[in-house]
Amino acid sequence: AQSVTQPDIHITVSEGASLELRCNYSYGATPYLFWYVQSPGQGLQLLLKYFSGDTLVQGIKGFEAEFKRSQSSFNLRKPSVHWSDAAEYFCAGVNTGGFKTIFGAGTRLFVKA
Amino acid sequence: EPEVTQTPSHQVTQMGQEVILRCVPISNHLYFYWYRQILGQKVEFLVSFYNNEISEKSEIFDDQFSVERPDGSNFTLKIRSTKLEDSAMYFCASSDGTGELFFGEGSRLTVL
Repeated sequence: AQSVTQPDIHITVSEGASLELRCNYSYGATPYLFWYVQSPGQGLQLLLKYFSGDTLVQGIKGFEAEFKRSQSSFNLRKPSVHWSDAAEYFCAGVNTGGFKTIFGAGTRLFVKA
Repeated sequence: EPEVTQTPSHQVTQMGQEVILRCVPISNHLYFYWYRQILGQKVEFLVSFYNNEISEKSEIFDDQFSVERPDGSNFTLKIRSTKLEDSAMYFCASSDGTGELFFGEGSRLTVL
């Protein structure tokens, strides 16, 4: 069955430190992959997406993600975290031509001063 | 920038009542979706809609749920007889078919 897994329920990093949020996918073929961010009480905002091509994708707010086929991973990174990055982050995937985007369980990011 | 809008932002209803959640997708999008997020939990797919019919639905989307595109702009989710466990944030999304979803701000449903 298709799935997206985020192994970390929550992560705490210090402001200014680097960040990596993990995401693994399980699909028959390489899906389209996305990272969304959700601030408390808000909707979901797209950070970045991977369809094909360059495996390192750049997104908004200084985020990037690297697609690694060999590891079935699509980890999100940011070199220096800001307090405003504290939010819930969701990895998601959809089959090419599919209608059902599947979300991971989310990783809540806490940023400490 | 075009956006997906949802109404109401919050609805409180009694168990057994019917609820209709409304969405206005981005105007040139052809694919529409409803997702649900129970408080503190993951975002769950409910249904996708294309060409005036359901293209895929999850096991959550049982007979008490229905979707409709009554006119050229609105996309609605109806829950016929609400249950306590229907309390959640309901997100509408639309897409131009590239796979990227554009989400509304959500409608919080509280069933008492």
